Amino acid sequence: DVKVTQSSRYLVKRTGEKVFLECVQDMDHENMFWYRQDPGLGLRLIYFSYDVKMKEKGDIPEGYSVSREKKERFSLILESASTNQTSMYLCASSLQTGGGNQPQHFGDGTRLSIL
Amino acid sequence: AQSVTQLDSHVSVSEGTPVLLRCNYSSSYSPSLFWYVQHPNKGLQLLLKYTSAATLVKGINGFEAEFKKSETSFHLTKPSAHMSDAAEYFCVVSEPGQSKLIFGQGTTLQVKP
Repeated sequence: DVKVTQSSRYLVKRTGEKVFLECVQDMDHENMFWYRQDPGLGLRLIYFSYDVKMKEKGDIPEGYSVSREKKERFSLILESASTNQTSMYLCASSLQTGGGNQPQHFGDGTRLSIL
Repeated sequence: AQSVTQLDSHVSVSEGTPVLLRCNYSSSYSPSLFWYVQHPNKGLQLLLKYTSAATLVKGINGFEAEFKKSETSFHLTKPSAHMSDAAEYFCVVSEPGQSKLIFGQGTTLQVKP
């Protein structure tokens, strides 16, 4: 079974702090994704990466950056945390194929509160 | 442009009765379609996927979905609801060659004893 592990289930930080959310997958997947999930807004894609050191902006990248130095690890960085970044953050990974589409496999999420 | 609409934000059924969660999609190409389930404070788990093989797709936990191109629908069904099925369900679409997924807004399934 694919395992996507997010380093923290719950995290509380203060406004202005630099926050790191870590995600590791164990299935050698090429693609990795960061989403945030908010009530009434569903899942929104922040960033994704299709290879080491490669990244693409998603739908809501403002205020975030990412790092992918190793294939199995994808980090989400809040450069200067603000209260409107309080949310559930979900990491996912998938295989990269040229033909049919592969499902994404999700971690259990990090519930981040910015005070 | 691809999009997905879940027609009900909330569905309530009694334990042992059938479940129907409705999903319509819009896609320029032959899409891949997925259903995911999310239990409280957990990540999303794949229930089933359609990728242009059989139109009736069977998934885990007794769920299945039927791809109907003429109706652009991919409704999720289960013959008999169980209390453990109470969760949020997401219908998801992607197009060939695309790694990104487009998520519906979700349907909350309530199962009453």
